[in-house]
Amino acid sequence: RKEVEQDPGPFNVPEGATVAFNCTYSNSASQSFFWYRQDCRKEPKLLMSVYSSGNEDGRFTAQLNRASQYISLLIRDSKLSDSATYLCVVNRTTGNQFYFGTGTSLTVIP
Amino acid sequence: DVKVTQSSRYLVKRTGEKVFLECVQDMDHENMFWYRQDPGLGLRLIYFSYDVKMKEKGDIPEGYSVSREKKERFSLILESASTNQTSMYLCASTGGQGSYNEQFFGPGTRLTVL
Repeated sequence: RKEVEQDPGPFNVPEGATVAFNCTYSNSASQSFFWYRQDCRKEPKLLMSVYSSGNEDGRFTAQLNRASQYISLLIRDSKLSDSATYLCVVNRTTGNQFYFGTGTSLTVIP
Repeated sequence: DVKVTQSSRYLVKRTGEKVFLECVQDMDHENMFWYRQDPGLGLRLIYFSYDVKMKEKGDIPEGYSVSREKKERFSLILESASTNQTSMYLCASTGGQGSYNEQFFGPGTRLTVL
């Protein structure tokens, strides 16, 4: 079983729409959680960390459910510039390894 | 501005050649990582290092080795390149031991093995 699983999409949504991505992780020892964004032919960059209480950054909201071992990302009022691949990442501090999902592709359509 | 740099953006090599991929970070980070990224498989960890001269195998170390002689530099070596090592290679670094440390990535090296 993969450490991190995501729906690859693609998600094609109109501008202004709300879109949600989910991600599940298999190891209950996972300690920290992130969403990274990767533009076409570019390196991944941190979008936001995901904390137990949930957290928000502008139009982006991240939630963590430890009991069910899933992480979510909600994007409100989608912009064309949100088009990218979103990577779910978990970290087990033992060994300091990061585990990446395969990514969810989002295209925001005018 | 923090930076992770990789020696080449694009590289074409022949089967059997020895290949060196260099990564340098200027953030004084302890931890450095090498990944490869393939369509449908995502990022997979090849090796990582948490200190100078220290290295740990990741999920797919076969066919690769690494070297970390200086804190800022982490090299990935393909001893004898094969066509199934054609991929995008990404280097990353993080600092400290905190659980929410951000990984900073280099721009990647797209390696083609003919």
